[in-house]
Amino acid sequence: DIQMTQSPSSLSASVGDRVTITCRASQNINTYLNWYQQKPGKAPNLLIYAASTLQSGVPSRFSGSGSGTDFTLTISSLQPGDFATYFCQQSYSGRPFTFGPGTKVEIK
Amino acid sequence: QIQLVQSAVEVKKPGASVKVSCKTSGYTFSNYGIIWVRQAPGQGLEWMGWISAYTGNTDYAQKLQGRLTMTTDTSTGTAYMELKSLRSDDTAVYYCARSNFFSGGGFIYYFDYWGQGTLLTVSS
Repeated sequence: DIQMTQSPSSLSASVGDRVTITCRASQNINTYLNWYQQKPGKAPNLLIYAASTLQSGVPSRFSGSGSGTDFTLTISSLQPGDFATYFCQQSYSGRPFTFGPGTKVEIK
Repeated sequence: QIQLVQSAVEVKKPGASVKVSCKTSGYTFSNYGIIWVRQAPGQGLEWMGWISAYTGNTDYAQKLQGRLTMTTDTSTGTAYMELKSLRSDDTAVYYCARSNFFSGGGFIYYFDYWGQGTLLTVSS
């Protein structure tokens, strides 16, 4: 199975900061990479699919990039509602569609 | 609008079985797949399996093979997840989600609508 790692596991940031989260796959997954946001007690919410395509309704301050094994999620200007945990997920070469361990974004 | 509504909280004893439902609305059920994901307390997301609402074909995580069964009822647009021989480490929130895909040379599957989650507690 393809293993996913994320860094950092948590970070503290202030409103207005630019935040970057990294996701790495254990093998080449092309652009078969999605990002989700999860707030406490809520289901995950899709932000970006196919590495860089913004899901409908998601604010443009979220962006994704990368290909192969290394990917990034960037929040250009952190807003109060963005404090949450972010997960990457790969869907390359069939199932299982594994998730990364998550990155928790906290208020500084 | 598209909605996935899951069944309520479950409390089970070790060794028992549980069947969680996921009723969909607002889209053509048979045109998409459904995936199930679980999240143990304070932990990350664990992909459990996928079912095609069109064919009924399934694909389960290896660690759950033999205990997990996913089914669908196309007449009601409802998906079901049954887990048998429950253990304490099955305690988690269980989510269903719609499996969509982006065709860009291959099929990039992503999960765009989610149920609200069903808390399963396994305890003697």
